Amino acid sequence: GQNIDQPTEMTATEGAIVQINCTYQTSGFNGLFWYQQHAGEAPTFLSYNVLDGLEEKGRFSSFLSRSKGYSYLLLKELQMKDSASYLCAVRDPGGATNKLIFGTGTLLAVQP
Amino acid sequence: GAVVSQHPSRVICKSGTSVKIECRSLDFQATTMFWYRQFPKQSLMLMATSNEGSKATYEQGVEKDKFLINHASLTLSTLTVTSAHPEDSSFYICSASLLAGGTDTQYFGPGTRLTVL
Repeated sequence: GQNIDQPTEMTATEGAIVQINCTYQTSGFNGLFWYQQHAGEAPTFLSYNVLDGLEEKGRFSSFLSRSKGYSYLLLKELQMKDSASYLCAVRDPGGATNKLIFGTGTLLAVQP
Repeated sequence: GAVVSQHPSRVICKSGTSVKIECRSLDFQATTMFWYRQFPKQSLMLMATSNEGSKATYEQGVEKDKFLINHASLTLSTLTVTSAHPEDSSFYICSASLLAGGTDTQYFGPGTRLTVL
């Protein structure tokens, strides 16, 4: 089966650093994506990892360990506007092209 | 770049009517488009994969006769919810796949909020 786990909710303070974890158990793997979704809006692309290691993009970084089926999204210098849901998605190489399997999402609340 | 639009953004209809939702990639051609449904406080559930010029591939449990998908061109896919019922009320989101820099990335439309009375 396909299973992607994320914490349901997290709270952090403005200016701080927060790490959102994602573990996955899928029949195949062809890359992992992180998306940000504000309430009532569509997801926006944040990062992509296909090889082990850290990908840094401004205040956001994403890490992948394929052997452990594990990824995290690191948000630095948190801002109030970072309050959103963060979705971890694994690309399934089998079947349809570029099919993504989404986790349940982590709702991050940034407090002053 | 990589902008995807959806229309309408919000629709309210009576039970039994059909609703058409359009998804367009505005500045790129997308061979593959995807349709998702999202219920409140839940994640995105893939409904179907749409390829230009061919029949859509539906996920298990999704009725293809109820959710009609047409991918008429490389920039347009439509989802028609036929004979809508209140349980079909949801947030419908499309995405379009763009290959750039050796990576296939899905870019999402703004979503359509469907309310069936």
